Amino acid sequence: GENVEQHPSTLSVQEGDSAVIKCTYSDSASNYFPWYKQELGKRPQLIIDIRSNVGEKKDQRIAVTLNKTAKHFSLHITETQPEDSAVYFCAATPGTYKYIFGTGTRLKVLA
Amino acid sequence: NAGVTQTPKFRVLKTGQSMTLLCAQDMNHEYMYWYRQDPGMGLRLIHYSVGEGTTAKGEVPDGYNVSRLKKQNFLLGLESAAPSQTSVYFCASTRTSGSYEQYFGPGTRLTVT
Repeated sequence: GENVEQHPSTLSVQEGDSAVIKCTYSDSASNYFPWYKQELGKRPQLIIDIRSNVGEKKDQRIAVTLNKTAKHFSLHITETQPEDSAVYFCAATPGTYKYIFGTGTRLKVLA
Repeated sequence: NAGVTQTPKFRVLKTGQSMTLLCAQDMNHEYMYWYRQDPGMGLRLIHYSVGEGTTAKGEVPDGYNVSRLKKQNFLLGLESAAPSQTSVYFCASTRTSGSYEQYFGPGTRLTVT
């Protein structure tokens, strides 16, 4: 069935270093790939997304890359800061109404 | 513009009790969703709705029912609560054109003892 695998489940980096989180999806019909950030006790919020006709997208320190052939996409955070500490979720959308989320990555940025 | 709101924020139930969680959105979104979030398991879709009067099952629908009588409201019901339904429940909505971004509510923390 449809699923999204996300790795790693936890990630610790030193402040200022880069962090990379990877996701693999199974349904080749997926055409939209968002990334959500969830701070402790808060709701998930969209931080960046990419559509299937684009290979890379950047927004300041955050970037997402997509390889449709290999069915994987990645989140890159550069110059990490303590406020980047949170749980990050990737998702794939086989249809406009259906999201399949990954299991999340807990990122800790060590000062 | 309140976005997506959920009531209640917290609830404790005894096994076998029933309750309804209310989700409301003021963005005129067509699609609405109910997810549950458990440690290490991400967000799992319970039920969703593509419009007023229409609902469908998601990934983990057993033990839950939903209704969408008004476009802005999506209700999640637990008829006979079980400890396995202890979780954080999130409602979300999205529009049908342009961005596919899902807007989430603040969540409801439910404990079933």
